[in-house]
Formats: sequence, structure tokens, C-alpha cells
Amino acid sequence: EDKVVQSPLSLVVHEGDTVTLNCSYEVTNFRSLLWYKQEKKAPTFLFMLTSSGIEKKSGRLSSILDKKELFSILNITATQTGDSAVYLCAGCQGAQKLVFGQGTRLTINP
Amino acid sequence: DTAVSQTPKYLVTQMGNDKSIKCEQNLGHDTMYWYKQDSKKFLKIMFSYNNKELIINETVPNRFSPKSPDKAHLNLHINSLELGDSAVYFCASSQVLGDKAFFGQGTRLTVV
Repeated sequence: EDKVVQSPLSLVVHEGDTVTLNCSYEVTNFRSLLWYKQEKKAPTFLFMLTSSGIEKKSGRLSSILDKKELFSILNITATQTGDSAVYLCAGCQGAQKLVFGQGTRLTINP
Repeated sequence: DTAVSQTPKYLVTQMGNDKSIKCEQNLGHDTMYWYKQDSKKFLKIMFSYNNKELIINETVPNRFSPKSPDKAHLNLHINSLELGDSAVYFCASSQVLGDKAFFGQGTRLTVV
């Protein structure tokens, strides 16, 4: 069965810290890995990764995929309170559907 | 001009009732989805439609019936609601199947 596992499940840090969120996947006919940020309501898209070893960057956020180890990380540097959210990772199976992990709840304290 | 909009945002109803949730996207996307998010925040796909055609039906009870009158709309009708149906239901769309999905704001369904 397809599976996406995120760790840690919960993380509390201070503003200014750097965090690394982990995502491992076992997804048949894997096509891509996606990261989403979910605050109160709708998950909002962050990154889509299809190639191994190529870092994608957006401001203080960056992500990379390792297709050999079936793993991705999401890094956030110089965290701010507005980064507090649940971060969801999803593997795209067979160019058909997204299989989501259970999310990492990130809390940034001032 | 919300990209993916769903109504209602909240729905409280009694067991046994039938209810519908509507979804519309104005992104010109070909594919639309319904996801269910349980209390543990797990997002699980229920259905996907591509150009009004059902592509995925993920072992969802047949009390749940999606309807896509056109590419921009995907509604979800639920018959004989049960307590276990309580969850947040998200509609989403993507340019093509398997592409990054854009989510609506969710409908929090509570069955009492």
C-alpha cells in the first residue's frame, strides 16, 4: 500500500531558528513529491519536486528530493511566527493522485 | 475571485439526512478532486474527475456520489449521513491529472 510518512509529527522552536521537516515515501509509479502548508483552512502549494538532488527555493523555504532513498526534506531558515502551520508532504502516484502524509505541526514561538 | 470555492463552509446535520457540497473552480483546470481530512489531519483522496469523467474512486461508500456537470464543477452528494462522515471535505483542482493541486477552503461537516 502506498505510504507517506512525515517526521517529526510536531515541532516547537523559537523565532529565528532553522527547521528541517522530513518526508519519506513508498508510492507506486512515483512521479513527484509535493509540499503544502496548511494554516487554518486550505492547504496551499509550496513546492513540487520531480528530479533528485535539485533544490527548489522560495525565500526562506527550500526543499530537495532524493529518489534513491525515497526521501525529501523541507528547510525553513530564520523562522517567523507566520511560519506556524501544518506542513503536508504528498507523493504523486502514477500521475493520478496525491498520497498525503500525516503532516508536521510546526509552532514558532516569539 | 477565489480560484477553488466550495459551499457551504460549515454543515451540521442529523444522522440519516442527505446533503450536498458544491465546488467550482475558475482556473480552467481539467481535473477536480474531493479529499476528506479526518481529525488527525490525514488528507485522503476520495474521487478525481478529468474532463467530467470519473477517474478515481477510492473505496468510498456508495452513499457518496460525485457529480460533474461540467469541467468547472464537481459536487458531492452524501446519502444517509453517518457519525463517521464528520470531517472536513476539501475540493481541489489541477491543470492535469497528477499535477499540483489547488484546494478550496474546505467544508466542515458535523453529523450529530
